[in-house]
Amino acid sequence: SSELTQDPAVSVALGDTVTITCQGDSLRNYYASWYQQKPGQAPRLVVSGKNNRPSGVPDRFTASDSGNTASLSITGAQAEDEADYFCASRVSVTKHVIFGGGTRVTVL
Amino acid sequence: QLQLRESGSGLMKSSETLSLTCTLSGASVTVGGSYWTWIRQSPGKGLEWIGQISHSADTNYNPSLTSRVSMSLDRSNNHFSMTLTSVTAADTAVYYCARSSVGATNKFDFWGPGTLVTVSS
Repeated sequence: SSELTQDPAVSVALGDTVTITCQGDSLRNYYASWYQQKPGQAPRLVVSGKNNRPSGVPDRFTASDSGNTASLSITGAQAEDEADYFCASRVSVTKHVIFGGGTRVTVL
Repeated sequence: QLQLRESGSGLMKSSETLSLTCTLSGASVTVGGSYWTWIRQSPGKGLEWIGQISHSADTNYNPSLTSRVSMSLDRSNNHFSMTLTSVTAADTAVYYCARSSVGATNKFDFWGPGTLVTVSS
């Protein structure tokens, strides 16, 4: 099916590590991209491809994948990492794109 | 540095046609290898890919919207546009324009700030 599933919310203590997952059949064939969105702002690309970060994104953000699951880990979470995180994937040869429902990360 | 900015319909009524434009600065809409994309986000909800148009004006739309959406390029004004016909309250959302690339259509590396479109009945 053409869906990406994310847990709605997770929390992490300041300085700890949190992993967000994204599940979907399309991820067996395509890498996910990950977006951070803070209130009132447009989404921001944090990781794409195998584990590529745009300039300016801290290296505490890392991506991995296995089978139908893509993961985004934040190692040493900071207060400014509190945000919604969305995954996105291409869907087959049509080049359509689907997004996960998003995971709200709260830093305690 | 590429910058994008959305403009267009703000408050609308059901059954009207939504028209939005995304103006680029720092790059040309005709640059090869780029897909110019529209994405929306309903209040408090997730992101929905609407569709994309290539530098050569090839289009690709979300199957759930393909009967109502159309996208175009304006090379002379360096912008791209979308229209969505027969809007309903379900089309109320923040609409974003963004860029992706031919090699990674799900990698949206530049985004506009978004524009809120509200559809009232």
